[in-house]
Amino acid sequence: DIQMTQSPSSLSASVGDRVTITCQASQDISNYLNWYQQKPGKAPKLLIYDASNLETGVPSRFSGSGSGTDFTFTISSLQPEDIATYYCQQYDNLPRPFGPGTKVDIK
Amino acid sequence: QVQLQESGPGLVKPSQTLSLTCTVSGGSISSGSYYWSWIRQPAGKGLEWIGRIYTSGSTNYNPSLKSRVTISVDTSKNQFSLKLSSVTAADTAVYYCARESSYYDWGQGTLVTVSS
Repeated sequence: DIQMTQSPSSLSASVGDRVTITCQASQDISNYLNWYQQKPGKAPKLLIYDASNLETGVPSRFSGSGSGTDFTFTISSLQPEDIATYYCQQYDNLPRPFGPGTKVDIK
Repeated sequence: QVQLQESGPGLVKPSQTLSLTCTVSGGSISSGSYYWSWIRQPAGKGLEWIGRIYTSGSTNYNPSLKSRVTISVDTSKNQFSLKLSSVTAADTAVYYCARESSYYDWGQGTLVTVSS
């Protein structure tokens, strides 16, 4: 089974900072990777699909890159409404593990 | 715009079977090339994929839960269901149903607590 890791597990940054989260797959998943944002008490929301494509309606400060086993998610300028937990998720193989999540808050 | 809504008991006793239903609206569960999935999240923890079903009835399950999980579909009611047997406190979680293409469209989630 594919294992997904994320780092860091949590981070604290100031409004306007650039935030970067990494996700690593235990084997090559090409670009079959999504990024979700989850706020407390809510279902996850798709932000990035196919590793680097911005979902319709999602602010352009969010971006993704990578392929193979190493992926990066970036918030170019952190906003207060971006406080959430972010998950990567691969869809190359079954089962469909999610990364363990990265909790982002404001310093 | 498809919408998914979970329903079922919010409290299940240990050793019993957890049963949830997901009602799909805004589109037919039989249309398109979608899988219909269940995902859960214990409080304060990450997301765990439980399994999925295609409208043909073909299923895939998380190996860690496979012996206890059954997912079924009722196309006449535009619903799919989850049964998880022999539950323990470790199965307490928010359970989400979702439509899977290359990404998930999620229901709002429902909390199921396993307690006597």
